[in-house]
Amino acid sequence: DAGVIQSPRHEVTEMGQEVTLRCKPISGHNSLFWYRQTMMRGLELLIYFNNNVPIDDSGMPEDRFSAKMPNASFSTLKIQPSEPRDSAVYFCASSGTGRRNYGYTFGSGTRLTVV
Amino acid sequence: DAKTTQPTSMDCAEGRAANLPCNHSTISGNEYVYWYRQIHSQGPQYIIHGLKNNETNEMASLIITEDRKSSTLILPHATLRDTAVYYCIVRAATVSSASKIIFGSGTRLSIRP
Repeated sequence: DAGVIQSPRHEVTEMGQEVTLRCKPISGHNSLFWYRQTMMRGLELLIYFNNNVPIDDSGMPEDRFSAKMPNASFSTLKIQPSEPRDSAVYFCASSGTGRRNYGYTFGSGTRLTVV
Repeated sequence: DAKTTQPTSMDCAEGRAANLPCNHSTISGNEYVYWYRQIHSQGPQYIIHGLKNNETNEMASLIITEDRKSSTLILPHATLRDTAVYYCIVRAATVSSASKIIFGSGTRLSIRP
């Protein structure tokens, strides 16, 4: 089990550029979550999917952010255009359902720096 | 989901038991208590969860009071690698679909040599 895989690990981009973060959940998990972490605001839930369907995107900061999950093994979080205040560590997590699968498994995160 | 209250920081001597408290006085009957930790620069890691009975696994023990309004995470023999931020979360768990986890500020645990 390779765990939740995120790419890239680090991303440095210029303001105004499009940024795409990628996540591969654990096989068999049917829920996927995107979080953002900064020193000021801690861990914030941006959006989550159940069975590839977005359930709650109330944490998405604004229209510049979008997330997709085209299939059970892949999700993207896109920022267009990026701004310096988007600099943060972005985590993806997945979870199964059923009585044995209540915990989330997090990826190693993508550290985004927008200059 | 019910809110939780944790101390901002704690420290513990290496080799001793670390006891991390959490208050969740507004917890509902169908809400579980979860603990996660985040070691610097890593993603949060699931530790343990419970409903009303005490739970133990290879990482820790979870003690939940009878009225379920508070709980304690116990790391029986703390090591330097247990230095992390520990999050106590209350969350409804359903069989059919996962529900979201909202992280608070957590407790920053420092293990001293």
